[in-house]
Amino acid sequence: GAVVSQHPSRVICKSGTSVKIECRSLDFQATTMFWYRQFPKKSLMLMATSNEGSKATYEQGVEKDKFLINHASLTLSTLTVTSAHPEDSSFYICSARPHSPEEQYFGPGTRLTVT
Amino acid sequence: GQNIDQPTEMTATEGAIVQINCTYQTSGFNGLFWYQQHAGEAPTFLSYNVLDGLEEKGRFSSFLSRSKGYSYLLLKELQMKDSASYLCAVREGTGGFKTIFGAGTRLFVKA
Repeated sequence: GAVVSQHPSRVICKSGTSVKIECRSLDFQATTMFWYRQFPKKSLMLMATSNEGSKATYEQGVEKDKFLINHASLTLSTLTVTSAHPEDSSFYICSARPHSPEEQYFGPGTRLTVT
Repeated sequence: GQNIDQPTEMTATEGAIVQINCTYQTSGFNGLFWYQQHAGEAPTFLSYNVLDGLEEKGRFSSFLSRSKGYSYLLLKELQMKDSASYLCAVREGTGGFKTIFGAGTRLFVKA
């Protein structure tokens, strides 16, 4: 099956710093990638939809200046959490969708802890 | 907007059958997914329904009724490893085909 990787898998950073998370589709081209965050024992909350070569579409309530998304190629999207605060600590998961609309493949997730 | 409802928790016995229900309200329905998620891991795809009816895949089956805004996931011959969260997710047909997830149902399988 299709493989999506995320890097890093875990990151600890200090308040006020920025953290970049990478999402890569390893064996297919992803026209669309999605970024989710998940709090403990909660479901996935869609943050934004990222299309290659265009600006990301953010969900209501998600600050686009805080969560910068760049989808520079058909296999790579990045999420940068800027000026991180402890409340940004969460599990961030990306997913990638190939041309077929039936399925999206999830990355393994990145656990961010802001101290 | 979208609204997806599913039970918070369910408990079932090893070897039994369990049905997890999901109701949804959405504009521009474009498919319903079920995912399994173990704690601390990413979701894994289980099933996809876009037309009414039952889709069977091994021990897992998924049903959809678009007119009722209703789906269920049926798990047969339960195994201990089936203890996980099961996420119902609905894809919209507009706005980039984004997929919205329900809160998930935590299934506990006991011996």
